[in-house]
This record gives sequence, C-alpha cells and structure tokens, in this order.
Amino acid sequence: GAGVSQSPSNKVTEKGKDVELRCDPISGHTALYWYRQSLGQGLEFLIYFQGNSAPDKSGLPSDRFSAERTGGSVSTLTIQRTQQEDSAVYLCASSLVVGGETQYFGPGTRLLVL
Amino acid sequence: GEDVEQSLFLSVREGDSSVINCTYTDSSSTYLYWYKQEPGAGLQLLTYIFSNMDMKQDQRLTVLLNKKDKHLSLRIADTQTGDSAIYFCAESMSGSGGGADGLTFGKGTHLIIQP
Repeated sequence: GAGVSQSPSNKVTEKGKDVELRCDPISGHTALYWYRQSLGQGLEFLIYFQGNSAPDKSGLPSDRFSAERTGGSVSTLTIQRTQQEDSAVYLCASSLVVGGETQYFGPGTRLLVL
Repeated sequence: GEDVEQSLFLSVREGDSSVINCTYTDSSSTYLYWYKQEPGAGLQLLTYIFSNMDMKQDQRLTVLLNKKDKHLSLRIADTQTGDSAIYFCAESMSGSGGGADGLTFGKGTHLIIQP
C-alpha cells in the first residue's frame, strides 16, 4: 500500500479482555516497529521486527504483551487481560531495513480500556 | 541512558519564524529526526539529519545540529496556521552496535500559532 496502515482505528474494551492490534507496513519494508503513545509516558518504543524475527522483546511493558509477524509483512500486537493503564495510542512504523533508515508511521490504534 | 528533552510549548505569530529546540544525551546517535503530529493523526516525518552533518535545509525547514552540545533545532520559516501541531525530536541508535533500533522520542513541543 501507499503507507503504513493500522486497524482498528479505535478500540474500546473492558478490563480483563484480550485485544489484537494489526499493522500492515509499507510494501517491501523489512523492518517493522511498535510504539506506544500515552499522556504520562510520551512515545515509548516497544519492539521491532527484522523480517519475522524480533531479536529484543525487553521493551514490551509486561508479559501480557506479545507481538508476532508472519510472512515478513503484517504484524499483530496482542495485549492479554487488558488493564486501564494499557489505554494509549499504539503506533506502528516501518522502514526499508533496520538500521539508520527512515521510519514511516501509521495513524495508530487508539485503545481505551474501561 | 538515552534522554531527549524538548520544551513543551512554543507560541509564535503567524508569518514569523519558529525555532523548536531539542537536546539529547547519547553521543552515539546516528540519525536525528523531526516528526510532526497533528491532532488525532499519526506521526509525519518532516526531516532528518545524519550525525556528521551540521545543517540541512528543505524548503521552509532548516535543521541545525550542534553535536558538541548535543543540541538539535528545527526552524520553520514563515510559520502558517497549518504548522500548528506537536513536533517531536527523536534519535536513532542505529549503527551503534547495540540496542533495538527503535527511536527515542522527546515529549514533543506544542507549536501554537497566534494570528
């Protein structure tokens, strides 16, 4: 596609439910990144993929968070047993390759946990 | 650790130049970026500069990098109402031999345009 797309645009869920957020990167981009933007924390880097591999998961806030990427394209970020503090905008970005390249961001998914 | 600092707000008159400043702590930054975020929208890459450059100009935008002082600035000439947004400074550790290649962002500067 022309840019990074994310779905859903908005998600309202109840505390304790699981949610899945999807990111579709720019075609041909091998690197994919997830960030979280919240009022208190600003923009936080969560995890990146080079192809289907995520070498470092230490940026994920807790073990309730997981991410996967299959086929070197679409990625999903899953939050299990959501908590109110998970409410944030989840941003995805992609770049041609990992390392010094420009990251292009999607519009984000706004998650609200009630 | 990595830290990127920006002022929270900047108010300028329409037609004047805006200068948004940023300081960072990690001298091994490879690239430094400016992103723009309009209300309810995602992050739009405005420009970026490689760490061995001092200046980069792109139409109304001028980026200045003082590597010695770890200071980055974004100048917007002839500021217009459409420039009203949050501007984020970010650094990349790519090429440093470690890290996860994610960007480290400042908290963003809200640019307010006065008529």
